[in-house]
Amino acid sequence: NAGVTQTPKFRVLKTGQSMTLLCAQDMNHEYMYWYRQDPGMGLRLIHYSVGEGTTAKGEVPDGYNVSRLKKQNFLLGLESAAPSQTSVYFCASMDRANEQFFGPGTRLTVL
Amino acid sequence: RKEVEQDPGPFNVPEGATVAFNCTYSNSASQSFFWYRQDCRKEPKLLMSVYSSGNEDGRFTAQLNRASQYISLLIRDSKLSDSATYLCVVMWMDSSYKLIFGSGTRLLVRP
Repeated sequence: NAGVTQTPKFRVLKTGQSMTLLCAQDMNHEYMYWYRQDPGMGLRLIHYSVGEGTTAKGEVPDGYNVSRLKKQNFLLGLESAAPSQTSVYFCASMDRANEQFFGPGTRLTVL
Repeated sequence: RKEVEQDPGPFNVPEGATVAFNCTYSNSASQSFFWYRQDCRKEPKLLMSVYSSGNEDGRFTAQLNRASQYISLLIRDSKLSDSATYLCVVMWMDSSYKLIFGSGTRLLVRP
């Protein structure tokens, strides 16, 4: 099993550009999450999904959109990137014992 | 006030030392508690869940005090490989199963 994978691993964008981050899990988990991690602030929840076809806002959703068309995939979109979105983005899925499994992260820089 | 608060450290200890971290949480409705470990530039990984009666896993002991709303992690006989950031995590048992992360406590174990 690959667990949770994320693509891309690194990306540099210019202000105003758009991009999509892909998260995939092969553990058949219902729950999936997108976080961002900034120095000194811990992980903050952007959006999450409790099952295929459902999404909901987390703590810091502004400037992001998500989609969960297939159970194994959770996409995070940035419509118009801003320097404030420079961060490390982690995707996670959760099993029935409430353990979250994280992907390796995407390091995004917005110039 | 942050929902989950931790001393950022760093805690700098010699090999073989015993070190303890505390974490406080503000939401009395929090239902589940965890300690995650995060190595530099890596994703968080579950270290252990925290049960009401306290639990031990090898050199690691976790305690929960619901009345005072704090969680602790004790590491005995520290190893160089224990150097990492330890994240205190609480879960609200609503339909989202969201995790709230502390900013982390950094541990450095020196030879």
